[in-house]
Formats: sequence, structure tokens, C-alpha cells
Amino acid sequence: DTGVSQDPRHKITKRGQNVTFRCDPISEHNRLYWYRQTLGQGPEFLTYFQNEAQLEKSRLLSDRFSAERPKGSFSTLEIQRTEQGDSAMYLCASSSALLQGNYGYTFGSGTRLTVV
Amino acid sequence: KQEVTQIPAALSVPEGENLVLNCSFTDSAIYNLQWFRQDPGKGLTSLLLIQSSQREQTSGRLNASLDKSSGRSTLYIAASQPGDSATYLCAVKGTGGGADGLTFGKGTHLIIQP
Repeated sequence: DTGVSQDPRHKITKRGQNVTFRCDPISEHNRLYWYRQTLGQGPEFLTYFQNEAQLEKSRLLSDRFSAERPKGSFSTLEIQRTEQGDSAMYLCASSSALLQGNYGYTFGSGTRLTVV
Repeated sequence: KQEVTQIPAALSVPEGENLVLNCSFTDSAIYNLQWFRQDPGKGLTSLLLIQSSQREQTSGRLNASLDKSSGRSTLYIAASQPGDSATYLCAVKGTGGGADGLTFGKGTHLIIQP
């Protein structure tokens, strides 16, 4: 599989529970991004990794959110104590620092989170 | 702060028509601009990528143009088909390296009537 994979595709959780999403980027890509998209809006940047280093976090990423990318491979995004406002599509994208100018970003299919 | 606007927000046309989607951005210091397609409840599919030094890119029935100095891009779809129905998103990448990420517009929701 040469695309970006995200798991799970859908997640329904009760308010206050913790959830974790996984993203497997394209293997040659050293950059990985998380975005959040709410209904009727474009995706909004959350955080960015180059290899295993988390280089930037948006102010949208509150203290309840944490992301990791151990060994510069897959990444996880955890949301603690979920709130109804966290309901959204969480999108992962990857790119190559060397090839980005030629190929841009490749997005996964997303994880749709519903907090009830 | 970069802002991206897409006009129109929604568009419905009969099959076979040629159409133009518009994207404007406030900061012309961009690295590239990318057009994506998003089907309902799905992720994003990249359609075309235009470097800041380029004027246009073509792929099949799609043609995207870029006028960086005026902060505008258009996506031209020729001979539209019902399968083209989707939301089309425009995104720009700033010149600050990978950390800038992409700034997206809200999209144009396109319906092609059979």
C-alpha cells in the first residue's frame, strides 16, 4: 500500500473518554501532519512532525491533545477527556522534504470522531 | 496570517458544461498551491499542484492557473460529468518551510446534474 493509512475510520465515544488515532504515512515521507476538519470548513492545521521531532503545534491543540511519532514512522493523536466540540474529521497527511515541491501533500481518508 | 477564500461556496450545473472555481489568498508569499477533491465523509484527493513559479498545470479535463502577484488561482473543469460532484478545496503552502503547513479555503461544493 503506497498511500497514507488512518485507523480507525470512525470512532464514537462518550464525553470524557480518551481516544487515540493512528496514522501510517507513506514510508519514504519524513514529514507528517495532523489536521482537523469540522462540517462545512476546510481542514485546519494541528501539528507537524519532521521525522520523530514535533516541530510545530497550533493553538487549536489544547492540553488535552497529544501527538507522537516514535522512530519517525507512524504517528498517534490522543485526545483526553473528550468534549462534544472535539467531534470532527481528523486528517493525517505526509510529504517528503525533498519531494514536497514536486508532489505536495498526500492525505489519508481520515478518522471521523463523534463525541456523544 | 494567510487567509484563503473560495468562490462560489456552492455550484450546481448541468452535465457537459465547462466551469471555473475560484480561489484567492491574502499573502502572495507562497511556496505552492494545491487543489484537492473531497467526497462526502472522505479524505482529500490531490488533483493539481502548482509551484509558485508556474502559471498553470493540467491533468485530463482539469486545468489550474496561478497568478501569485494578485493572489488568485482558478480550477477549470471541462465537459463536467456527474462523477465530478464533490467539494473542491484550494490550499496554499507558505514559504516558511514545512512548519507552515497548508492553509485551506472552505471549499466549493459542486453538483453536476445528470
